[in-house]
Amino acid sequence: AQKVTQAQTEISVVEKEDVTLDCVYETRDTTYYLFWYKQPPSGELVFLIRRNSFDEQNEISGRYSWNFQKSTSSFNFTITASQVVDSAVYFCALSEAHYGGATNKLIFGTGTLLAVQP
Amino acid sequence: EAGVTQFPSHSVIEKGQTVTLRCDPISGHDNLYWYRRVMGKEIKFLLHFVKESKQDESGMPNNRFLAERTGGTYSTLKVQPAELEDSGVYFCASSSSYRGPWETQYFGPGTRLLVL
Repeated sequence: AQKVTQAQTEISVVEKEDVTLDCVYETRDTTYYLFWYKQPPSGELVFLIRRNSFDEQNEISGRYSWNFQKSTSSFNFTITASQVVDSAVYFCALSEAHYGGATNKLIFGTGTLLAVQP
Repeated sequence: EAGVTQFPSHSVIEKGQTVTLRCDPISGHDNLYWYRRVMGKEIKFLLHFVKESKQDESGMPNNRFLAERTGGTYSTLKVQPAELEDSGVYFCASSSSYRGPWETQYFGPGTRLLVL
């Protein structure tokens, strides 16, 4: 069964601290895709990153970095030197590689609310 | 380029009433998805349109929910009659073409529905 677990419901840090958001997934497929979305207070889900199951290289984009480890079925997200503007709900999601007309629906975790205090 | 838009942003209705949510995808996007987040839980898939056809509606909770996408542009999601458990945030997303599961879905701001 497909499942995404974000065990951290809420995290509170002080500005400039580093913070890691955990994501653990379950799938029986060998080909799949993982995503992170950010939901700021304005409400829309903002796409951050997509990784495929064949690429375990870590990704860095500015203060954001992602650590994908197939051995532990994890796709963790680290924000370095956090800022108040990083305060949001962050969702991890999984999409399995179903072809032949099946939909690529996203399976989401429950989200982690990150509060960055000034 | 305009993003995915949803209307209304908020809706408060009484149990038994009807509500219609609208989603305008990014221009030119063939794929349109509806998702729902009930308070504190995960965001769950409802259905997927490819142009005007329903590709997958396996996530629709029951027959009180009706989704349409006439002409393959905007979509509506009607709840009739609404029940208390229908409260939540309804998200719409779109993607450009169905080539595979790596296609990024772009989301709208959601419609917050409260059924009293």
